[in-house]
This record gives sequence, C-alpha cells and structure tokens, in this order.
Amino acid sequence: DIVMTQSPLSLSVTPGEPASISCRSSQSLLHRNGHNSLDWYLQRPGQSPRVLIYLGSNRASGVPDRFSGSESGTDFTLKISRVEAEDVGVYYCMQVQQPPWTFGQGTKVEIK
Amino acid sequence: EVQLLESGGNLVQPGGSLRLSCAASGFTFSSYAMTWIRQAPGKGLEWVSAIVGTDDRTYYVDSVRGRFTISRDNSKNMLYLQMNSLRAEDTAIYYCSRYCSGGCYSGLDSWGQGTLVTVSS
Repeated sequence: DIVMTQSPLSLSVTPGEPASISCRSSQSLLHRNGHNSLDWYLQRPGQSPRVLIYLGSNRASGVPDRFSGSESGTDFTLKISRVEAEDVGVYYCMQVQQPPWTFGQGTKVEIK
Repeated sequence: EVQLLESGGNLVQPGGSLRLSCAASGFTFSSYAMTWIRQAPGKGLEWVSAIVGTDDRTYYVDSVRGRFTISRDNSKNMLYLQMNSLRAEDTAIYYCSRYCSGGCYSGLDSWGQGTLVTVSS
C-alpha cells in the first residue's frame, strides 16, 4: 500500500498569515496522464470532509484562491496564502493512484 | 443540488452484520463511481471501498475484504455496504462519496453526513 506522511500534525496560525502543509508519498503518484494522483481535503469541526485540491494542483469548485497545491516528485504541499478563521479544521492528503486509496494522518490547523 | 444521505448505522455485537445505505439525488447517479470512507472516533479518515464503471468493478481495503460488500442499484439511486463479521475496530462514522472516474476526475466532490456504526457487546 502507498503510505502518505503529512507534516506537521498540528499548526497554529495567526489570521492573515500564510500556512503550509506537507505530504510525502512512499511511491510515485504520477499518472500516465501527466497528473499526480493526490488530493487535499479539509474536515471542519463537526462536518464531513470537502475537497480543496485534486490531482495535485487543481482547485476544486468553490474553493477560495488562497488555497493552492504544488508538487515536486513525491512531495506535495498545500499552501494557504492568508489564513482565515473559517480555515480551522483537519487537512488530509489522499492518494488516488491505486487502491487502496490512502490518507495522510491529518494536520490540525488552529487559529492563534 | 447534489445530496448523499447515509443510513443504517447502529449498535451491533461483534460478529454481527449491518447494511449501510446511501441515497443519492441531484445528479445522474449511474454516471459516477462511488466510495465508502470511514472515520473511527477521534481518528483520521480511512478509505474502505469503491465501485467503479459500467461493469461495477469493486475495490476494498485489505482489512474489510471478504467481510464487506459494496453494491449499487442505479434504478433506485442507491449505494450499499453490506458489513458482515463485524469487529470492534470497524466502529466508525461511515461516509459515502462520489467521484467522476476517468478523465473527468475532480476529487471526491460530494460527501454525505455520515452514519455511525458501533460494534460492541
């Protein structure tokens, strides 16, 4: 199975400041179509997860442009350019390259 | 509006069975692959199973293979998860979600609110 490793596991951010979450996969997630099979999800407290970024760097519908995804080999990064209060929750990366799809451990983001 | 509504979660004894359902509305159900994802209390997300394509190919995480069966009824816009030989470690909130398989993939773009399965004596 592909192992996904996130860091940090928790993050406390001042509103208006940037934040960054890393995710590393144990194998290449590069699909033959040229995209990386890596998504990012946010689970706000008490809510179901929602997709933020799919296939490495594509922002999902309705997601603010302060969220962006980048890729370098087996290293992936989710960046929030300016954190807002509504961004609190747990962020997960997930590989969809091959079943079983696997998630990272999650990164809990809090507001200072 | 796309909606996914899970039901069927309950308290069940170890070794027991349960069938989860997910009612879909607001989209062409047969055109989407569907998946079940679970979250144990206070823990992270775990992908459980998926059903894909016109031939209904199925996939499972190793820990449930042989015990769980995913299926769908496109005429009723329903997704199911038959769970047998339940174990304490299957205790979790179970979410259904959809995705467009193939060149139209845009993530798991809709999720239900989840249904709680508790396995305990």
